Amino acid sequence: AQSVTQLDSQVPVFEEAPVELRCNYSSSVSVYLFWYVQYPNQGLQLLLKYLSGSTLVKSINGFEAEFNKSQTSFHLRKPSVHISDTAEYFCAVRAIIQGAQKLVFGQGTRLTINP
Amino acid sequence: NAGVTQTPKFQVLKTGQSMTLQCAQDMNHEYMSWYRQDPGMGLRLIHYSVGAGITDQGEVPNGYNVSRSTTEDFPLRLLSAAPSQTSVYFCASSLSTSGGQETQYFGPGTRLLVL
Repeated sequence: AQSVTQLDSQVPVFEEAPVELRCNYSSSVSVYLFWYVQYPNQGLQLLLKYLSGSTLVKSINGFEAEFNKSQTSFHLRKPSVHISDTAEYFCAVRAIIQGAQKLVFGQGTRLTINP
Repeated sequence: NAGVTQTPKFQVLKTGQSMTLQCAQDMNHEYMSWYRQDPGMGLRLIHYSVGAGITDQGEVPNGYNVSRSTTEDFPLRLLSAAPSQTSVYFCASSLSTSGGQETQYFGPGTRLLVL
């Protein structure tokens, strides 16, 4: 069965510090991986995704994630965070369940930026 | 485009009451789905639809019904509310389900409290 594990439920960091949010997955099919972000009191928005090709994918607001097949990981990183990055981040993997394609989400990581 | 809209934003129910959560999208998306979000559990799929007239169960379907009479609308019905259904409910849509590559677009959510 396909699944996603986000290793940290909460990550507090200071503004302008680097951050890494960890995500490990298990999948028996071709891997498609996603990071979604949920700002306070809003729905989820796609941050970035890996489908194929370059293992390093980037978002428009400075986040990047690297697909590591040998370690079954898709960690999200940003070299310098801003207060506006405060949100909950969800890693997700494409899964085949009962013959249909679905997204399976991790438990989420709450990123808190302290000034 | 309004994207994915959900009503109501908040709802309080008593145990045993029924209600319908509304979801609509104006992007002509084939795929629509309902998730519930609970602390520490990420998002779990309740029901989904790959097109008008076609629905199927997700991970946690018990206590919920859906129908898809049009491409635009995908209501979620709680037949007899229980305290365990207290949650935040998100509707999402994507252009198609081919390949599992599609970005899902989420509504703003409905916060439901069952007393």
